[in-house]
Amino acid sequence: AQSVTQLGSHVSVSEGALVLLRCNYSSSVPPYLFWYVQYPNQGLQLLLKYTSAATLVKGINGFEAEFKKSETSFHLTKPSAHMSDAAEYFCAVNLLYRDDKIIFGKGTRLHILP
Amino acid sequence: DTEVTQTPKHLVMGMTNKKSLKCEQHMGHRAMYWYKQKAKKPPELMFVYSYEKLSINESVPSRFSPECPNSSLLNLHLHALQPEDSALYLCASSQDAGLARPFFGPGTRLTVL
Repeated sequence: AQSVTQLGSHVSVSEGALVLLRCNYSSSVPPYLFWYVQYPNQGLQLLLKYTSAATLVKGINGFEAEFKKSETSFHLTKPSAHMSDAAEYFCAVNLLYRDDKIIFGKGTRLHILP
Repeated sequence: DTEVTQTPKHLVMGMTNKKSLKCEQHMGHRAMYWYKQKAKKPPELMFVYSYEKLSINESVPSRFSPECPNSSLLNLHLHALQPEDSALYLCASSQDAGLARPFFGPGTRLTVL
């Protein structure tokens, strides 16, 4: 069963507009959650992670995400998009109660319109 | 040193070749991973080593053979690969398997002819 679902394989926003990338997880126990960014032909870079501390997590490059247990969500936001934010974004989950795996969502391609 | 390095960056091999991918980290991490990523797909876990022992093998074909010679190095030996094995192979490490943030290397782009 899929453990993390990303809504929208492609998202387009105008430069300067709000970025919202959606991620929902399925777990009876709050997992560890991550957002990674991947630029073309590069590896993965961690943007931020949630590990049961503060529910609002701030990451690099102005991104942040809020863990909402009631909605089983961990959406990624940035107040003002920049052209350099164009990339593939992956939400990932670590299901500690199963085994030590990190499972990735299918990814969302973020396009920034000038 | 806070990075994971992978060599080579690119590799082209025939189906009868034997080659190896290498991964190295000097962060004192005790868990290391191999992921495979096809184009426009998320990374898929292949293997996890924890304290130099193979702890997870995600039913990967035997033509892929991992090796962890010491706590800093992780190899992936390749033999008799198929064209469908062409992908980006990502190495990652974390302080302990799954508990801390995994650091990813830049990957090796593998093409099997």
